Amino acid sequence: ETGVTQSPTHLIKTRGQQVTLRCSSQSGHNTVSWYQQALGQGPQFIFQYYREEENGRGNFPPRFSGLQFPNYSSELNVNALELDDSALYLCASSQGTDSNYGYTFGSGTRLTVV
Amino acid sequence: AQSVTQLDSQVPVFEEAPVELRCNYSSSVSVYLFWYVQYPNQGLQLLLKYLSGSTLVKSINGFEAEFNKSQTSFHLRKPSVHISDTAEYFCAVTEGFGNEKLTFGTGTRLTIIP
Repeated sequence: ETGVTQSPTHLIKTRGQQVTLRCSSQSGHNTVSWYQQALGQGPQFIFQYYREEENGRGNFPPRFSGLQFPNYSSELNVNALELDDSALYLCASSQGTDSNYGYTFGSGTRLTVV
Repeated sequence: AQSVTQLDSQVPVFEEAPVELRCNYSSSVSVYLFWYVQYPNQGLQLLLKYLSGSTLVKSINGFEAEFNKSQTSFHLRKPSVHISDTAEYFCAVTEGFGNEKLTFGTGTRLTIIP
């Protein structure tokens, strides 16, 4: 059973650029959630994807968008990057949309915006 | 809106000593509570969770947490810690059943002193 894999592990971008982060969910999981973890903070919910559609969104602007593919993998896209977007981005997969199932998290992508 | 407070950002403990990591939550409805652990350079792992039933829940590696509704707390304890317990611990809450969003605290870094 493979876990959640995220790519790339590290990324440096310039303010104003766009970035795409990728996530492969754990085998058997059909739901992917994305979290942003700023330095010294707990993870914050960005959004969740289930059956290729957004199923819930946190307090993030529209320049944060996502996709889920038929194989349940997912992408997080961020447009017009700002310095405050620098953070660890965590992807989590689960067997359903309810957080009570318990998520399996990847190791994250560390994004630095300069 | 739900929120989680972890008052201790860092807790140093001698090896084989007991430890308690504090977590308090705020919510106007019934909640489900979780502890996640993040080892260095790894993703979050579910340590234990309270959904219903017995208010004392245990993990396979000796941690336990007790849900206290009157004090709105879910403190994590271990009677004897080991070097391998060095990690960051996050308390999280979700409101009600069927909620996709986890709200995390800011984390407590547990450092074991040999």
